[in-house]
Amino acid sequence: KQEVTQIPAALSVPEGENLVLNCSFTDSAIYNLQWFRQDPGKGLTSLLLIQSSQREQTSGRLNASLDKSSGRSTLYIAASQPGDSATYLCAASSGSRLTFGEGTQLTVNP
Amino acid sequence: EAGVAQSPRYKIIEKRQSVAFWCNPISGHATLYWYQQILGQGPKLLIQFQNNGVVDDSQLPKDRFSAERLKGVDSTLKIQPAKLEDSAVYLCASTSSWKGYTEAFFGQGTRLTVV
Repeated sequence: KQEVTQIPAALSVPEGENLVLNCSFTDSAIYNLQWFRQDPGKGLTSLLLIQSSQREQTSGRLNASLDKSSGRSTLYIAASQPGDSATYLCAASSGSRLTFGEGTQLTVNP
Repeated sequence: EAGVAQSPRYKIIEKRQSVAFWCNPISGHATLYWYQQILGQGPKLLIQFQNNGVVDDSQLPKDRFSAERLKGVDSTLKIQPAKLEDSAVYLCASTSSWKGYTEAFFGQGTRLTVV
């Protein structure tokens, strides 16, 4: 059974700081790993999808990496902004199921 | 392209009442998921459909929850009777491939409050 863990559970940083969010998974036989953003009271917005054959994906100030052998993924946010404040969720796709972590609640202070 | 549509956005019911949620996935997406997200937790899969067939419903509380996907497009999730612990956001998602090779897209969710 796949288990996904995200550390830290909450993070507060000043504006402009670079930061890293961590995601670990127990079953390395994944199809892909997906990072989502969730604003309060809203659904999930897909940020980045890394296929199992890839090492990283980039979109603007976001960079996600994947290390299947160690069961880890990181989401790097450069030059953080107050608008980045949200909960960030990672999800591992294995078999036919998408398994989520508990999320990291990020607050970027002006 | 249009995203995943869900309705209603909010619902408040009393315990022991019934409630139904509706989802319309992205056009052409064969796989549809219903997730339950309790406040402060990650989403938990309730049921997965491939076209109009069930692929995984192992975590669906079948004594009170039911779901169907008629004609392989729209889906409804029903709770009857509701309990206080069913208060959560119910998320619908769709992908073009049930194997998980492709990106999952989520709707805005339905926030259910059971009082």
